Amino acid sequence: QKEVEQNSGPLSVPEGAIASLNCTYSDRGSQSFFWYRQYSGKSPELIMSIYSNGDKEDGRFTAQLNKASQYVSLLIRDSQPSDSATYLCAAFDSWGKLQFGAGTQVVVTP
Amino acid sequence: DTAVSQTPKYLVTQMGNDKSIKCEQNLGHDTMYWYKQDSKKFLKIMFSYNNKELIINETVPNRFSPKSPDKAHLNLHINSLELGDSAVYFCASTVGLAGVVNEQFFGPGTRLTVL
Repeated sequence: QKEVEQNSGPLSVPEGAIASLNCTYSDRGSQSFFWYRQYSGKSPELIMSIYSNGDKEDGRFTAQLNKASQYVSLLIRDSQPSDSATYLCAAFDSWGKLQFGAGTQVVVTP
Repeated sequence: DTAVSQTPKYLVTQMGNDKSIKCEQNLGHDTMYWYKQDSKKFLKIMFSYNNKELIINETVPNRFSPKSPDKAHLNLHINSLELGDSAVYFCASTVGLAGVVNEQFFGPGTRLTVL
């Protein structure tokens, strides 16, 4: 079992709609969570970090964390074609390592 | 100015060869990492250095040897390359010790192809 699990997708989202991405993690000691966006052939770039239960909003992005359920999610509102990318969920585990999920590919269709 | 740079960007080589990848960061960060991203896009940590000291060493074949001459540089040498080593290798850096939560900045990656 991988430490961080994501649906691989692709997740097809009409332009202007909300994209909803989910992630679960296995290490209960993880306290810090990140969402990275990776365009094809490029390096990952951080878009959101979240450390406390609840919601965190930044522009069109909202991250949600539920530590009891070991669940992290990312919402992308008003999806744009430029949001088409692979989104990587990552959790900082008990041993100080950033564990990544396999990524969810998002395709925003005009 | 590039924050985290890697050379080369592409590396094509034959099985059995030895090759090196170099990484440099100009962010003043203390901690640097090597990650491997396989064909299924799964990104996995290999090594981490803090101020030239190895602090994370994942289950990686001994053919892989990292070296950090100073805290701004982290190189990766691979001996006796195998087909399964084909992947994209990313260098990353962050401020502070591993385990302290800070954003990791990634380099552009080195795409290694072993024939």
